[in-house]
Amino acid sequence: SQTIHQWPATLVQPVGSPLSLECTVEGTSNPNLYWYRQAAGRGLQLLFYSVGIGQISSEVPQNLSASRPQDRQFILSSKKLLLSDSGFYLCAWSNRDNEKLFFGSGTQLSVL
Amino acid sequence: QKEVEQNSGPLSVPEGAIASLNCTYSDRGSQSFFWYRQYSGKSPELIMFIYSNGDKEDGRFTAQLNKASQYVSLLIRDSQPSDSATYLCAVRTGANNLFFGTGTRLTVIP
Repeated sequence: SQTIHQWPATLVQPVGSPLSLECTVEGTSNPNLYWYRQAAGRGLQLLFYSVGIGQISSEVPQNLSASRPQDRQFILSSKKLLLSDSGFYLCAWSNRDNEKLFFGSGTQLSVL
Repeated sequence: QKEVEQNSGPLSVPEGAIASLNCTYSDRGSQSFFWYRQYSGKSPELIMFIYSNGDKEDGRFTAQLNKASQYVSLLIRDSQPSDSATYLCAVRTGANNLFFGTGTRLTVIP
């Protein structure tokens, strides 16, 4: 069966510090991978998605970036965090049929 | 107009009652519809999906889709306190366009 791992679970970072969140998927090949952010009281916002190694599409212009160095690895990064980057970050995957989306356990990021 | 709209609630129902959660969407070309359950501080969990008009039942859950009226609903029969969570409606309009509502918070009162 497929599983998705995301870490860390919680992170407290000062403004201006870098960020690296990692996500890996097991039990499937060539998944579509996604990064979402969920701000308090708001809906899920798609940040990035990837259909293959090195292929990244950005949905929202911001100081975040994503990379997919391996088929089942997806990384979310920032060089300098802003206060507005605080939120619940979720990695997700889907099969190539692009139907059902499955989420990782999430990272609660607080930028202070 | 938002692509997917849900009443934020909170919706409170007594234990054993039917909880009815509703969602409307704006794109008539929408193809797939999903319901996710999200406990506080946890990630969303897929609980139902529906592609065709009508009802789809899975245990205590029933998803209902009416494309003509552009709404999708989720019924939870015999509601339990463990059903207390936020329920997210998601609508897919294209290959990489999956839009989420902001969720309805459900509280089941013992």
